[in-house]
Amino acid sequence: DAKTTQPNSMESNEEEPVHLPCNHSTISGTDYIHWYRQLPSQGPEYVIHGLTSNVNNRMASLAIAEDRKSSTLILHRATLRDAAVYYCILRDLPSGTYKYIFGTGTRLKVLA
Amino acid sequence: EAGVVQSPRYKIIEKKQPVAFWCNPISGHNTLYWYLQNLGQGPELLIRYENEEAVDDSQLPKDRFSAERLKGVDSTLKIQPAELGDSAVYLCASSLSSTGLAGVGEQYFGPGTRLTVT
Repeated sequence: DAKTTQPNSMESNEEEPVHLPCNHSTISGTDYIHWYRQLPSQGPEYVIHGLTSNVNNRMASLAIAEDRKSSTLILHRATLRDAAVYYCILRDLPSGTYKYIFGTGTRLKVLA
Repeated sequence: EAGVVQSPRYKIIEKKQPVAFWCNPISGHNTLYWYLQNLGQGPELLIRYENEEAVDDSQLPKDRFSAERLKGVDSTLKIQPAELGDSAVYLCASSLSSTGLAGVGEQYFGPGTRLTVT
């Protein structure tokens, strides 16, 4: 199973951009890169996903390296509400179905 | 639109007692997942349903855990008997599908049930 590596924790000042890195050197050609975040006492929530090209949505941007061995989740202006654990996940593709394999994620602390 | 509903939110039981968790997925979602999340760890998949069929239960400890999805909608996860090591958060999630391009889309998670076994 392809795995991801993320820093255990990061800090950011409020209203500054945040770049959350993820390494996935064993990614296969059909693995999608997904990001979820988990606020305290809540279930994970979807943030963004991509395959090869960079992606933007209202929450964040996803920058994917050309060789796809790493990616970066970009929060353009961090707010206190963005303090959460961020998970970078590869959609495992055994037998044509999809399964998430979560790691331990990056705990983001936003400083006021 | 209502999200994934789980109950109870919290449960405290003594070891060797049975416990059950209930999940109501988002309407129209064919795929339902049960995850286990230990403190400081990411969620781990226990079982995945496609409609009423359990298509991936390889991580479910079948000696004490059981699950069912009645009529392909609501689902119940049961532990009998509970052990101290079962203390964790049990998360339910749903998605439109888990196969093909539709399976690439997001999973919607409920708030979870925090189980404490004493």
